[in-house]
Order: sequence, then C-alpha cells, then structure tokens
Amino acid sequence: QLQLQESGPGLVKPSETLSLTCTVSGGSISSSNSYWGWIRRPPGKGLEWFGTIYYTGSPYYNPSLKSRITIPLDTSKNQFSLRLSSVTDADTAVYYCARGVGGYGNFDYWGQGILVTVSS
Amino acid sequence: DIQMTQSPSTLSASVGDRVTITCRASQSITSWLAWYQQKPGKAPKLLISHASSLESGVPSRFSGSKSGTEFTLTISSLQPDDFATYYCQQYYTYSTFGQGTKVEIK
Repeated sequence: QLQLQESGPGLVKPSETLSLTCTVSGGSISSSNSYWGWIRRPPGKGLEWFGTIYYTGSPYYNPSLKSRITIPLDTSKNQFSLRLSSVTDADTAVYYCARGVGGYGNFDYWGQGILVTVSS
Repeated sequence: DIQMTQSPSTLSASVGDRVTITCRASQSITSWLAWYQQKPGKAPKLLISHASSLESGVPSRFSGSKSGTEFTLTISSLQPDDFATYYCQQYYTYSTFGQGTKVEIK
C-alpha cells in the first residue's frame, strides 16, 4: 500500500523560504510514468494545486505560483520536496503531498497533511 | 485560467436523502474532472475521475455525470459516513479545485 508522509517546520517567518519533504513508502518515486504533487488548503478556503513533478524531474507548476516554487526529487531517499520562497501570511495552510495521475491529473494517494503557519 | 464554480457551498440533508453537488467550468474541460471527499483532519479521498469513473472501493451510491461544462456529483442515498466536504477538480489545463461543498446533518 502506497503511503506518503509530509514533514517540515510548522512555523516559518515572513519573507523566508518554506521547505517541506514528502517521504514515500510502499512504492518508488522513480517508477516509470509516476507523478508526485503538492496541494494546500488555507484556513477556511478550498484546495489549491501547487505543482506536480514527473519521475524524470520534469515539473508542472501552477502558473500563479511558478516564480516562487520548486519541487525537487531525491530518488536516493524516495522523497520529493516543496520549496516556496518569499512567504507571507497568505501562505499559511495545511500542505498535502500526493501521487498524481498525469502532469495535470487527479491525485489518488495523499499524505495526511502538515499545518504550516507563517508568522513572525 | 479555468475557474470552477461549485454549488452549493453548504448543503443540509438527512440520512437517506438524494444529494446533488454541481461544478461548472468556465470553459470546456471535456471530461477531465475529479471529485474528492474530505473529512475534518483527514486528507482528501478521490471518489470519481474522468467525470464519471468510480474509483475502486467507492460505494456505488456515488456517481458523477457531465452536461457540457456542468458536472454533477450525486449521492443516491446519503449515509452517516457521507457527511463531509466535497471538492471538484479540473485537470484539463493545469489544475483547479472548486471551493468545496460541506454536506451537513439537517
């Protein structure tokens, strides 16, 4: 059974870079034709797609966030990450990692989510 | 950008009711639409992909349909486990979620 688990700091200061890691177990992020993504849910709001990374490293980013995000793969650790630069309090949210079905596809396996608060 | 307008935002219903949630896309997305269920403190669960394909293990009381750019999630007979928030997601161009529909006990 595929499982994903987010980890990282729960508190980030404004203007800093938010860094989260998703550890995948029960499957390989290097599997052919596999996609891995990040989604968030700000308090009281709906879900927002950040971006998805193909197993080759090719990214698919939300154009409204593209200048601020990267999603690197670490195949040696079976992990992928999210880096979001220049955060503001609007970036406070629960962040989820998930397995994608296609570059802009739906997501069939999700982590439990991690709350990240942006505050000084 | 493709906008997804989901309605209603809140729905009060009783066990056994037939429930319908709608998502309208701002342009054609063919059938590239998914539905998710989310309960408090839990990750979203994929219910339906490609507008009407039920995921493995999802009860048959859930169904999805499409008419032009309007998509519908129907729960034929609401069960106690179904009280949750539901989201649609288009994945035709990039990916956009609807704002969610909270199904609460009447």
